[in-house]
Amino acid sequence: DGGITQSPKYLFRKEGQNVTLSCEQNLNHDAMYWYRQDPGQGLRLIYYSQIVNDFQKGDIAEGYSVSREKKESFPLTVTSAQKNPTAFYLCASSLGGGGTDTQYFGPGTRLTVL
Amino acid sequence: AQSVTQLGSHVSVSEGALVLLRCNYSSSVPPYLFWYVQYPNQGLQLLLKYTTGATLVKGINGFEAEFKKSETSFHLTKPSAHMSDAAEYFCAVSWNQGGKLIFGQGTELSVKP
Repeated sequence: DGGITQSPKYLFRKEGQNVTLSCEQNLNHDAMYWYRQDPGQGLRLIYYSQIVNDFQKGDIAEGYSVSREKKESFPLTVTSAQKNPTAFYLCASSLGGGGTDTQYFGPGTRLTVL
Repeated sequence: AQSVTQLGSHVSVSEGALVLLRCNYSSSVPPYLFWYVQYPNQGLQLLLKYTTGATLVKGINGFEAEFKKSETSFHLTKPSAHMSDAAEYFCAVSWNQGGKLIFGQGTELSVKP
């Protein structure tokens, strides 16, 4: 089955720790995205990548970092600099980086800071 | 600034009634338009999208939306609600800026028996 997988589904972190969220796709898509979802705020773009070894900041990149070393993988690290990291994180991918391309979403990771 | 607004964070309808979820964007340049659905603790699934051509777009699960440029709107409708339609719905827009999507705040749809 083709699709996007995210792991873990639930993640708990102590304050001051960095954590890495995994996102893998086997759709052969060039573009990948990370969104943060908070209640009542919709989805906000953290980082996106249109091609391997290249990525751009989205609207709320502070406190986050990414890498894109392989086409199928786009891990997100939530650093200790992120002031309020508790949220639902969604990864997406699209065939290309064009505005008409449909983004396909993974099932999400719920991060809770203890 | 370019933005998208969904009117009503919660909408409740009876089973069999018309579903109408509103979406407006703010820009003089028409964007590409999308509607997504999200069930609890899951990712988003595309319902339909408008890029070019016919302004009435049909999607999955009996939903459709009409792009009205003069009203800068892309409202989502379904003639008859089912219990299974209860979910959160997001309108999203893109102006071809590297594929970036701007999402509305979401509308939670409840369906009463």
